[in-house]
Amino acid sequence: DIQMTQSPASLSASLGETVTIECRASEDIYSNLAWYQQKPGNSPQLLIYDANSLADGVPSRFSGSGSGTQYSLKINSLQSEDVASYFCQQYNNYPYTFGAGTKLELK
Amino acid sequence: EVQLQQSGAELGKPGTSVKLSCKVSGYNIRNTYMHWVNQRPGKGLEWIGRIDPANGNTIYAEKFKSKATLTADTSSNTAYMQLSQLKSDDTAIYFCAMRAAISHWFAYWGQGTLVTVSS
Repeated sequence: DIQMTQSPASLSASLGETVTIECRASEDIYSNLAWYQQKPGNSPQLLIYDANSLADGVPSRFSGSGSGTQYSLKINSLQSEDVASYFCQQYNNYPYTFGAGTKLELK
Repeated sequence: EVQLQQSGAELGKPGTSVKLSCKVSGYNIRNTYMHWVNQRPGKGLEWIGRIDPANGNTIYAEKFKSKATLTADTSSNTAYMQLSQLKSDDTAIYFCAMRAAISHWFAYWGQGTLVTVSS
C-alpha cells in the first residue's frame, strides 16, 4: 500500500497569512493526488485534483503543486472560513490512501 | 445537482451486522464507481472499498475484506455497505463517495452515517 505522510498535524495561523501543508507519498503517484477540506460535523469537500487542478467553486486562494512523491497545498490570504481539517489522498493505486490530516486553526 | 443521501445513524450490538445505504440523485450510478470511507472518532479518513454498479465488481482494502460487503441496486440508484461481526472499533462515521465521469477523485460525498457499536 502507498503510505501518505502529511505534515504538519496541526497549524495555527493568522488571518491574511499564507499557509502550506505538505504530503509525501511512499512511492511515485504521478500527480494522482487530491486535497479535501473537512469542517467539523461535515463531510469532506474536494479542493484540488490531479495535484494542481482547482475543483469547481473553490476559491482561487487555494492552490496545489508537486510531482513524484512530494505535494503541497497552499492557502493564500487565510480567511476565517478556512478553519478546517485538510486531507491529501492518492488515487494512483488501490487501496486509495489518505494522509492523516492537518487541523488548521486561527491564531 | 448530484446528491448522495445516506441512511440514518445505527446502533449495533457486538457480533451483529448493519447495512448502510447511499441513494444517489442527479447521476446514474451505472456510470461511476461508488466508494466507502470511514472516519473513527477524532481520526482521519480510511478507504474501505469501491463497487462498480454496472457489473458488481468490487475492490476492498485488505483490512476490510472480511468486514465490509459492497452491493448496488441500479434500479433504485442506491449503493449499500454491510458491516459484519461488529466490534467496538467499528464505531465510526461511514461516508459514501462518488467520482464524476471518468475521474478518480471523490467529487461528491454523502453526509455520513454514524455507526455506534455498543452492548
